Amino acid sequence: DQQVKQNSPSLSVQEGRISILNCDYTNSMFDYFLWYKKYPAEGPTFLISISSIKDKNEDGRFTVFLNKSAKHLSLHIVPSQPGDSAVYFCAASGVNFGNEKLTFGTGTRLTIIP
Amino acid sequence: ETGVTQSPTHLIKTRGQQVTLRCSSQSGHNTVSWYQQALGQGPQFIFQYYREEENGRGNFPPRFSGLQFPNYSSELNVNALELDDSALYLCASSQQNTGELFFGEGSRLTVL
Repeated sequence: DQQVKQNSPSLSVQEGRISILNCDYTNSMFDYFLWYKKYPAEGPTFLISISSIKDKNEDGRFTVFLNKSAKHLSLHIVPSQPGDSAVYFCAASGVNFGNEKLTFGTGTRLTIIP
Repeated sequence: ETGVTQSPTHLIKTRGQQVTLRCSSQSGHNTVSWYQQALGQGPQFIFQYYREEENGRGNFPPRFSGLQFPNYSSELNVNALELDDSALYLCASSQQNTGELFFGEGSRLTVL
């Protein structure tokens, strides 16, 4: 039972344009959501997070939107840069799970085309 | 500030053998979590250690066990290896209840 789903295994975007990565979840007990970025031969690195009390969180070029009623979140990267090419994982957690016990999606491979 | 380090980076074992993977947590972190990432999948939570005790476990059988030491470093042990145990094993450290994990590069285990 996949509680966090990333339905697009891959995405290609032109440099300078907006990249939008999507994530859906099924467990309504999740109340904290994170995005991690992974380069080959490296561990995932934290990118941005959002608590369920918010619907938007912004950090530089990265913005995460949360739609609790739809159980959907998205990561926007604008403008996209070649260094953004990586695999992006959506993850969810919450107080009831212990905040470090993350449930990850299967990832979306983002390729930025120069 | 020293990040999370894992050893070995790669290893090959045969079915039925046992393996121990090691992790040194980031300076100042008291919690270590282990994740298994199979090919084409996201990381899956194995278990977490806090103050040398197991503090939560995912859906993994008892042949997956761990330890945390007083310096907060940790080991993951897997007994009676199966082919499906082939995966990247990721260690992550954090301060308890901060929600942000810092991952190591992982140990890639191949079971033949």
